[in-house]
Amino acid sequence: EMQLLESGGGLVKPGGSLRLSCTASGFSFSDYTFNWVRQAPGKGLEWVSSINSRSNFINYADSVRGRFTVSRDNARNSLFLQMNSLRAEDTAMYYCAKEDYYNMDVWGQGTTVTVSS
Amino acid sequence: DIQMTQSPSSVSASVGDRVTITCRASQGISRWLAWYQQKPGKAPKVLIYGASTLQRGVPSRFSGSGSGTDFSLTISSLQPEDFATYYCQQANSFPITFGGGTKVEIK
Repeated sequence: EMQLLESGGGLVKPGGSLRLSCTASGFSFSDYTFNWVRQAPGKGLEWVSSINSRSNFINYADSVRGRFTVSRDNARNSLFLQMNSLRAEDTAMYYCAKEDYYNMDVWGQGTTVTVSS
Repeated sequence: DIQMTQSPSSVSASVGDRVTITCRASQGISRWLAWYQQKPGKAPKVLIYGASTLQRGVPSRFSGSGSGTDFSLTISSLQPEDFATYYCQQANSFPITFGGGTKVEIK
């Protein structure tokens, strides 16, 4: 069974940093592009970042560019999101999602990030 | 950026009803569109990709159509487990964008 498991969320003060992780199992991690998608409480889905299989094609939403960095370690079947200079508006559930045929076909259960003083 | 506009934002329907949700892109996206279902406290689940291709394991009462700028998701006979929020998502170009969501509620 294909699975993704996020970790690393928590409560952080404005201006602080967090590193999210997403560990994959049940499929060949290194073959796929991955995305981070977030959802603020009671709101819709917002795409955050995308990284391809070789890490040579990376994209970010304008709202996080320059503050967030996506990376992956194919040997460890892991995806990461380094989040710096966090703001209150970054408070959300963060999901990692595998991409296949230009859709996100496998999602993790999410990890909660709360930015508050 | 491509804006995705869903309508309606919510719909009340009964079990057995036919429900159609529409999604309009601010510019042409060919057929690079996916539909997701999300239930409270759960991650989204893909239903349709490529505008009309049913994801494996998704019931055939779900169908998608459209191309260019106008798309629709139809549930032919609403079941109790279909009460959820539905999102469209364009995969034509970065940034990837989602519609605002349509909540399907019990009448």
